[in-house]
Amino acid sequence: SQTIHQWPATLVQPVGSPLSLECTVEGTSNPNLYWYRQAAGRGLQLLFYSVGIGQISSEVPQNLSASRPQDRQFILSSKKLLLSDSGFYLCAWATGQGPLEQYFGPGTRLTVT
Amino acid sequence: LAKTTQPISMDSYEGQEVNITCSHNNIATNDYITWYQQFPSQGPRFIIQGYKTKVTNEVASLFIPADRKSSTLSLPRVSLSDTAVYYCLVGSNNDMRFGAGTRLTVKP
Repeated sequence: SQTIHQWPATLVQPVGSPLSLECTVEGTSNPNLYWYRQAAGRGLQLLFYSVGIGQISSEVPQNLSASRPQDRQFILSSKKLLLSDSGFYLCAWATGQGPLEQYFGPGTRLTVT
Repeated sequence: LAKTTQPISMDSYEGQEVNITCSHNNIATNDYITWYQQFPSQGPRFIIQGYKTKVTNEVASLFIPADRKSSTLSLPRVSLSDTAVYYCLVGSNNDMRFGAGTRLTVKP
């Protein structure tokens, strides 16, 4: 069966510090991968998605970036965090065939202070 | 991208059937309709997906009229554990966007 992992689960970082969140998927090959952010009490905002290694599509211009160094690994980064980067970050995967059912990881709660 | 409109919140009681309607007037020919459920501090969970008419699984039913400009998620005999936010998404491939969702509260 497929599983998706995210770490860390929670993170408190000062403004201006760097960020690296990691997501890995097991049990599937060549998945589509997604990064979402959810502010408190709000819906999900799609940040990035990837259909293959090294292929990243950005949905919202901001100080975040994403990379996919391996087939089942997706990394979200920032060089300098802003207060507005606080939120619940979710990684998801889906198969690339037909309409997509996305499967979400446990999420990372990021607080920028 | 087809924009979706859902009620912000709904209340129900245990044992009742709950119907949540989503409007998507500009749905495209190749768009599918997908519903997710989200509990606090968790990622959304896929519930059901359809293209037209009716789809049923062990959790819910999805009703889609012929013009596909709306859809209704039906939850039979809800329990307290069905209290969550429910999202309606319309799109295809990677063109899927989460709206604000409907916050369903099930009361005893």
